[in-house]
Amino acid sequence: GAVVSQHPSWVICKSGTSVKIECRSLDFQATTMFWYRQFPKQSLMLMATSNEGSKATYEQGVEKDKFLINHASLTLSTLTVTSAHPEDSSFYICSVAPTADNEQFFGPGTRLTVL
Amino acid sequence: KQEVTQIPAALSVPEGENLVLNCSFTDSAIYNLQWFRQDPGKGLTSLLLIQSSQREQTSGRLNASLDKSSGRSTLYIAASQPGDSATYLCAVIRTSGSARQLTFGSGTQLTVLP
Repeated sequence: GAVVSQHPSWVICKSGTSVKIECRSLDFQATTMFWYRQFPKQSLMLMATSNEGSKATYEQGVEKDKFLINHASLTLSTLTVTSAHPEDSSFYICSVAPTADNEQFFGPGTRLTVL
Repeated sequence: KQEVTQIPAALSVPEGENLVLNCSFTDSAIYNLQWFRQDPGKGLTSLLLIQSSQREQTSGRLNASLDKSSGRSTLYIAASQPGDSATYLCAVIRTSGSARQLTFGSGTQLTVLP
């Protein structure tokens, strides 16, 4: 399977600030990357699908202006949580796939806590 | 809209027991089904992927079955060990345009007692 890293692994920030989370595919080129959010004791919910070089496709109910996704290269996607609030505190996990119809490989996740 | 349910939500067993985790889904038009393991505060580790045309997959002490018509999958763990303690997630995979999208269940938290 693919090796996927996320940085940072955890972050604590004040309400109103913006936080950037990186997802890197270390050993293959990922045309497609996915971002998920997981609240405590709940399952993973898909937030958006991003394809390299094009705009991300957001799931219903996910604010695209709040969760900015950039997939500028085949090995890096970033998720920026803008003007974070306590309700944005969650575990954010990315996954990568060589193409959109391939198996997804998951990163280790980033724990975001907004005070 | 696809809904995935996992029962039980939590399970505690003594070491050495065989156990079954259940996953059910409402829309049988799936592409694949996949079982994952998640340790606390960590990402997902893929355990088994079952193609929609298959009925089961095995890997070591793990065996996963799939019955599309009834919308059910089971994960069988033989001779459980304390190291098996984790949350187990099932996910059904569907096609959406050109993408494969995963819909996850809420997981079963397994504790294997030494």
